[in-house]
Amino acid sequence: DGGITQSPKYLFRKEGQNVTLSCEQNLNHDAMYWYRQDPGQGLRLIYYSQIVNDFQKGDIAEGYSVSREKKESFPLTVTSAQKNPTAFYLCASSIGGRAGHEQYFGPGTRLTVT
Amino acid sequence: AQTVTQSQPEMSVQEAETVTLSCTYDTSESDYYLFWYKQPPSRQMILVIRQEAYKQQNATENRFSVNFQKAAKSFSLKISDSQLGDAAMYFCAYRNYGGSQGNLIFGKGTKLSVKP
Repeated sequence: DGGITQSPKYLFRKEGQNVTLSCEQNLNHDAMYWYRQDPGQGLRLIYYSQIVNDFQKGDIAEGYSVSREKKESFPLTVTSAQKNPTAFYLCASSIGGRAGHEQYFGPGTRLTVT
Repeated sequence: AQTVTQSQPEMSVQEAETVTLSCTYDTSESDYYLFWYKQPPSRQMILVIRQEAYKQQNATENRFSVNFQKAAKSFSLKISDSQLGDAAMYFCAYRNYGGSQGNLIFGKGTKLSVKP
């Protein structure tokens, strides 16, 4: 079945440690996205990539980094510079980067940093 | 900057009845897309319906329809014949047609409960 996988579902880290969240898609989509969701809030865009080896900052990129070495994969690293990293993280992909292209979402990763 | 406002944090509907969720947005653009996403307890976001701003006709998808009022910048979602499986968070979202690669801008969501 085609889709987006995110692993793990729950992730726990100590403050000061970097952590990498995985996102893989087998939909042959060019564009991929990372969003953050906090309680009582909508989703906010962290980074997006419209093509391999290229990515752009979203609205809240500070303290995060990404790579796009393969079409299928778009890992997100939450660095120790991110002041409030505890949140729910959602990865998405779309066939292209046009506004009308539907974004398909993964199941998300809940990150807790203590 | 564009903003999306959902003024109803929570709504409740009886099974088989109709409910309308409100959304307003602010933009100076003339071409854009509007979306309604559903987030069930599993937390996976699912696209419910999409509206292109240049189309006057309101979008419909089975039991889901929208009332798009471009001049009023209003984009409400109507769910007819509500089912227990409709219980979820519903997010309204906006995206520019072009410009800055079209970031999706989300409202804060409306939690819909469906009573049997």
